[in-house]
Amino acid sequence: AQSVTQLGSHVSVSEGALVLLRCNYSSSVPPYLFWYVQYPNQGLQLLLKYTSAATLVKGINGFEAEFKKSETSFHLTKPSAHMSDAAEYFCAVSPIQGAQKLVFGQGTRLTINP
Amino acid sequence: DSGVTQTPKHLITATGQRVTLRCSPRSGDLSVYWYQQSLDQGLQFLIQYYNGEERAKGNILERFSAQQFPDLHSELNLSSLELGDSALYFCASSGLAANTEAFFGQGTRLTVV
Repeated sequence: AQSVTQLGSHVSVSEGALVLLRCNYSSSVPPYLFWYVQYPNQGLQLLLKYTSAATLVKGINGFEAEFKKSETSFHLTKPSAHMSDAAEYFCAVSPIQGAQKLVFGQGTRLTINP
Repeated sequence: DSGVTQTPKHLITATGQRVTLRCSPRSGDLSVYWYQQSLDQGLQFLIQYYNGEERAKGNILERFSAQQFPDLHSELNLSSLELGDSALYFCASSGLAANTEAFFGQGTRLTVV
C-alpha cells in the first residue's frame, strides 16, 4: 500500500528565510505526488503536483518541489518565507494506475516568525 | 472558491444520533471523495464514488455510509454517533484520471456532544 511520511509536524522559520517541508513516499512504483495547503478554517488547496513529467515542479505562491526517485522524496521549498505562508501543508500520493485515491501525510504546520 | 459545496458548515448533535452531510461536486467532475480530519488521526480517506458507483474504500466505519446520486451530488451518512466522531468532514471532487487534482470543499465541522 502506498503511504507518505512528512517529517516534522511543526516547522517554524523566520520571515524571509528558506522554507523546507519534507515528504517521503512509499510505493513500489513512482506514484503521482501532490502538495496541498490548508489555511485556517478552509479546505485544502492544491499547491503543485508531480505527474512524471519534469522532476522539478513549480507551484503557486512561489513554492516548488523536486521529485527524487532515488530518495523516494518530494520535498517542498520556498526561497523566502512570507507571513501569509503560515498554514498546514499536506503531502499526498496517488497510484498511477486505477482510480485516483489520494493518501495524505499527517501534515506539517508551518509558522512564520516576524 | 473550489466549486465544491458542502452543507451544512457546522453541525452539533448528541451521541447516538444520525446525521447526513451533503456535497455538490464541481461542474463536470464525476468523482467524489470523502475525508475525515481529526487532531489525532489526521486526514483520513473514507470513500470514493465515481458516477454513482463506489470506487474505493478507506478507513470508513460500518456506522458510516455514503452514496452518489444521479445528479452527482453525494451524501455521507453517519449513524450511532460517538464523541470520537467529532471531526471535520471534507468532500472533494475530481476527474477520474490519477494525475488530476482533487478540489476540496470547505468542510462540515461535526461536533458530537
